[in-house]
Amino acid sequence: AQTVTQSQPEMSVQEAETVTLSCTYDTSENNYYLFWYKQPPSRQMILVIRQEAYKQQNATENRFSVNFQKAAKSFSLKISDSQLGDTAMYFCAFMKHYGGSQGNLIFGKGTKLSVKP
Amino acid sequence: DVKVTQSSRYLVKRTGEKVFLECVQDMDHENMFWYRQDPGLGLRLIYFSYDVKMKEKGDIPEGYSVSREKKERFSLILESASTNQTSMYLCASSLVGLGSNEQFFGPGTRLTVL
Repeated sequence: AQTVTQSQPEMSVQEAETVTLSCTYDTSENNYYLFWYKQPPSRQMILVIRQEAYKQQNATENRFSVNFQKAAKSFSLKISDSQLGDTAMYFCAFMKHYGGSQGNLIFGKGTKLSVKP
Repeated sequence: DVKVTQSSRYLVKRTGEKVFLECVQDMDHENMFWYRQDPGLGLRLIYFSYDVKMKEKGDIPEGYSVSREKKERFSLILESASTNQTSMYLCASSLVGLGSNEQFFGPGTRLTVL
């Protein structure tokens, strides 16, 4: 069975600085997807960034980037130039790659990030 | 934009009541999911459905059932609500197909069972 571990229950960062959220996972699969989801206070969960395991290049989306280390089964999220709107719960998630079938997400327990002015 | 809506943002029920949580998506997604979110536990999958009238148990199905009579609607049913079912319930949907099958989430229903 797959597991996802986020070892930092809470983190804080000053506005405009950079912060890295950690995520490790355990799987025997070779093909899979990894995700970071963001859940702002009292708002809907949205996708921040995704990574296909077969791609060696780390995914980036504007101020968000990942450090994907497949051998180490590590998938950290870096937020550059942190903004107050980045304050949220962040969930790391794993999905097996079924190649056309449904895929279930396995979530970590989340990291609560606070961006301070 | 994909829209996933849930029938209630907040719900208060009494122990033993039958509770229905409704979820509707407007993007013709095949897959639909029900999660439960508790502090310190993350999101845990209760049930999912990959087609009309099809359902599969997730990690914590006990005490819950689901119904999917139409593609756009997925209902979670608590047959006899108990206090340990007080939680945030999130619905999600996704396409079936090649690709990363991103899941789109509803706003959540915060259920309190007294």
